[in-house]
Parts: sequence; C-alpha cells; structure tokens
Amino acid sequence: DAKTTQPPSMDCAEGRAANLPCNHSTISGNEYVYWYRQIHSQGPQYIIHGLKNNETNEMASLIITEDRKSSTLILPHATLRDTAVYYCIARQANSGYALNFGKGTSLLVTP
Amino acid sequence: DSGVTQTPKHLITATGQRVTLRCSPRSGDLSVYWYQQSLDQGLQFLIQYYNGEERAKGNILERFSAQQFPDLHSELNLSSLELGDSALYFCASSGALSSTQYFGPGTRLTVL
Repeated sequence: DAKTTQPPSMDCAEGRAANLPCNHSTISGNEYVYWYRQIHSQGPQYIIHGLKNNETNEMASLIITEDRKSSTLILPHATLRDTAVYYCIARQANSGYALNFGKGTSLLVTP
Repeated sequence: DSGVTQTPKHLITATGQRVTLRCSPRSGDLSVYWYQQSLDQGLQFLIQYYNGEERAKGNILERFSAQQFPDLHSELNLSSLELGDSALYFCASSGALSSTQYFGPGTRLTVL
C-alpha cells in the first residue's frame, strides 16, 4: 500500500465544514483511497473510499486531485460527535489483507 | 452499528492467566481480522482468517492464537498474560476479498 501523510491534528468549529487533507504521492493506478475514523476507544468506522472520481455519501465527501497524489475528506457540517482520529489509507481494490493504519489526523470539533 | 459483535466488552484478569475473546462477523462476511491497540499506540494487525483458514499474520505473539469456526465466528486466545498485553482488541470482518472492513466495538483487556 502506498504511504499516506496526514497532519497530526486539526480544529474545526461546530457547524463548519471540516476539510481533512491526505497526501499519497506514490499511489499506484489501482489503489483506492480509503477513509476511516475512530472515535475515542470505539472501533474504527468506515467512512468512504474512491479511486479517481469524487465520491459522496451520507457521512462525507471525498475529493481526489486529478493527478491522484492527494485527497481531501470533507465533513460538510461538523458536529461535536465528529471529534475523532481520521485515517487515510491507500490500498488496492479487492485487497483482502489487513489495513495499515498510520497515525491519522486528530480532529477536534469545538462549540 | 457495524454488524460485527465482540464479547466480552471488558475483561480484567491477572498476569499469567489465559483469556478468550470472541468475534461474530457481519452476516455473510468470510474474512475476520484481529487488531490490537495499546494505550497511545496505533492499531496493530494481529491475524486474519478467511473462511476458516489462516490467511495472514501480523505482529502476533506466540502466546496468542486464533481460530475461525465453521459458523465463521472467531476466537482470539491470549495466554501467559503480561501487563503489556493490556489493550483494546478489535475484530473486523469483510466480504470475500473486499477491502472494506467493518469493525466491532472492541474488547478492553486489563491485565493486573
């Protein structure tokens, strides 16, 4: 899996959009970008994944640059419950092996 | 709710003891993964089973073992426990060879 780089921490005001960046400059053509989050001591939660097109679901949007070297996870209206560690992971499609969680970004949503 | 269940939620035991953690994957998922998360540490992959067979091993100690049963539930056995084994243990499952894993709520193990 390609290496990903994320800022260690970010703050966001409640109700505002949280934009979490991820750099994956060595990503290969068949690697997807996956996002998970872990709310304190809970099991990691799958958020979204994408290959090259922008993706949106009920939780978030994923914007991938045209060269695929970076991406941004967008939480459109952050709430206090979105405070968590967010992990960006690059991996091949249908790779049934373990996820390599790095250090992620610790997002703090403040009132 | 991810559909993955783990029992027990909490476990407190003494050094030298043996415990068993249980995981039931989402309905239809064939793969089960075990991860360990120590205090202030990242999620470390331990072992994976696919349809009853061991598929991959990570940083799993020899004192630890796992198995997946015909009904696809899995158990992680931890023996000769040490203080450093205190951690959160998560189970995840995925379909066939899918990359999307769904995690259970975890078991918090405290070794005194």
